[in-house]
Amino acid sequence: DGGITQSPKYLFRKEGQNVTLSCEQNLNHDAMYWYRQDPGQGLRLIYYSQIVNDFQKGDIAEGYSVSREKKESFPLTVTSAQKNPTAFYLCASKTGGYWTGELFFGEGSRLTVL
Amino acid sequence: SQQGEEDPQALSIQEGENATMNCSYKTSINNLQWYRQNSGRGLVHLILIRSNEREKHSGRLRVTLDTSKKSSSLLITASRAADTASYFCATAERNRDDKIIFGKGTRLHILP
Repeated sequence: DGGITQSPKYLFRKEGQNVTLSCEQNLNHDAMYWYRQDPGQGLRLIYYSQIVNDFQKGDIAEGYSVSREKKESFPLTVTSAQKNPTAFYLCASKTGGYWTGELFFGEGSRLTVL
Repeated sequence: SQQGEEDPQALSIQEGENATMNCSYKTSINNLQWYRQNSGRGLVHLILIRSNEREKHSGRLRVTLDTSKKSSSLLITASRAADTASYFCATAERNRDDKIIFGKGTRLHILP
């Protein structure tokens, strides 16, 4: 079945450690996104990518890094520079094009810093 | 920054009643979308309305868009217990169609 797979679903990290969240899609979508969700804060955009080997910072990119080496994959690294990394992380994708809009989401990864 | 702001933040209604949620945004847009999120899950797309449309229907959903007021509303008619979820609006600035940002959402609770 086509869709977006995020892994791991739950992740625990010690302070000072980097951690990488995986996001894979088999929808043949050009664009991919990472959002962070905190209680009562809605979704905030971290990074997004329209094509392979290119990505743009969102509104809260500090302390995060991404890569887009393959169309299907858009991993997110939460670095030790991120001051408050405990959150629910959501990956999404959509087709390219000016008038398209619908995002398809994965089931999320919940990161807890101990 | 968060482009859309939903109102109310939380809403509780009896099953069978209609639920109305509102979204305000700040800049000119190409389209506005509504999404639903069940607790702890990913978001699911509900409906997209383009800037040149004023109203759109999908099943029990009715969305309106007023670009002069920079606002949209989502109406769910004949609510069901399964409609209990959070609802978000999402927008992309005109000429920045790739940068999609969300509001804080409305938590809807349907009482049996």
